[in-house]
Amino acid sequence: GDSVTQMEGPVTLSEEAFLTINCTYTATGYPSLFWYVQYPGEGLQLLLKATKADDKGSNKGFEATYRKETTSFHLEKGSVQVSDSAVYFCAPGGSQGNLIFGKGTKLSVKP
Amino acid sequence: EAGVTQSPTHLIKTRGQQATLRCSPISGHTSVYWYQQALGLGLQFLLWYDEGEERNRGNFPPRFSGRQFPNYSSELNVNALELEDSALYLCASSAGRLSNQPQHFGDGTRLSIL
Repeated sequence: GDSVTQMEGPVTLSEEAFLTINCTYTATGYPSLFWYVQYPGEGLQLLLKATKADDKGSNKGFEATYRKETTSFHLEKGSVQVSDSAVYFCAPGGSQGNLIFGKGTKLSVKP
Repeated sequence: EAGVTQSPTHLIKTRGQQATLRCSPISGHTSVYWYQQALGLGLQFLLWYDEGEERNRGNFPPRFSGRQFPNYSSELNVNALELEDSALYLCASSAGRLSNQPQHFGDGTRLSIL
């Protein structure tokens, strides 16, 4: 069945450090891929998306590239800020219309 | 443009009671999705409604049900509440059934079962 695997963390980084959160998925066909972010006490916000192979989604300094051959969609940011502290979810589109979520990766950025 | 709105923000119930959660999608969105975010379990898909019809449901018992109204708003009903139903319930909407349409989430209803 459809599934997603991402590092659970928590991940703790210093401000301005480089961030990578790995995400691999198993899904039928070639799903659209999304990253969502959840700040403390809030719902999920769409961070970026990619809808076909080799697409690069980007937003707020975050980037992720749709790698069909490795079924991966790793999230990267060159220089994190304290305000990036949140839980990040990789979410491929499932074959039944829903999004497939892992448990998320908690990121803490220290000043 | 108003985002997805959910009500109530918090709901406290006791075992065996029934709960109703409400969701208003973004204007123009026809699809509504419900997810459960229980502590330590991530987000689990519950239900998907589009154009008033239930299109798919996740692996939850029948006491989880819902409906979508002609104005595309939706409600989630949970009957015979159990302690493990305590969770954040998130509603999302999208512009259509195509899988490349992103889902936009509300802030959720936190349901606590005593």
